[in-house]
Amino acid sequence: KQEVTQIPAALSVPEGENLVLNCSFTDSAIYNLQWFRQDPGKGLTSLLLIQSSQREQTSGRLNASLDKSSGRSTLYIAASQPGDSATYLCALSGGQNFVFGPGTRLSVLP
Amino acid sequence: GAGVSQSPSNKVTEKGKDVELRCDPISGHTALYWYRQRLGQGLEFLIYFQGNSAPDKSGLPSDRFSAERTGESVSTLTIQRTQQEDSAVYLCASSLAVVGGLVNNEQFFGPGTRLTVL
Repeated sequence: KQEVTQIPAALSVPEGENLVLNCSFTDSAIYNLQWFRQDPGKGLTSLLLIQSSQREQTSGRLNASLDKSSGRSTLYIAASQPGDSATYLCALSGGQNFVFGPGTRLSVLP
Repeated sequence: GAGVSQSPSNKVTEKGKDVELRCDPISGHTALYWYRQRLGQGLEFLIYFQGNSAPDKSGLPSDRFSAERTGESVSTLTIQRTQQEDSAVYLCASSLAVVGGLVNNEQFFGPGTRLTVL
């Protein structure tokens, strides 16, 4: 059974800092991994999708990497802004279903 | 529409009543997912549809929960004889599923239905 953890559970940083969020998983037999952000009281917004054959994906100030052999993915956020404050979730697909991590709650202070 | 929509956005019901939640996926998306998120907790997978069939119902918490999908479009999640522990946000997502032999299942989420059982 796939288990997904995210460290840290919460993170507070001053505006402008670069930061890394971590996602670990136990079963490397995955099809892809997706990063989301969730704003309070709202649904999930897709940020990046990495296929199992890929090592990383980039979108603007975001860069996500995938290392299946070590069971890890990282989400790098460059030059953080207060608008980046949200909960960040990683989710893995071993087929058609996704298993979600518990999330990292990020606060970027102005 | 351009995105996944869900209705109602909020539902307050009394314990023991039945409720029906609706999800309209992105047009052309053959896969549809239902999740539950209790306050302060992570996402809990409930059920997945590929077309109109549900190959994975393993996440449904009890036999009070059921879901159906018609016309490879709208899906409804029904909770019978609601209990207070059913209070949660119910989220729906859709994806293209398999495209050209590759798994292309980037999920797009709706805004959710907040269910409160009194």
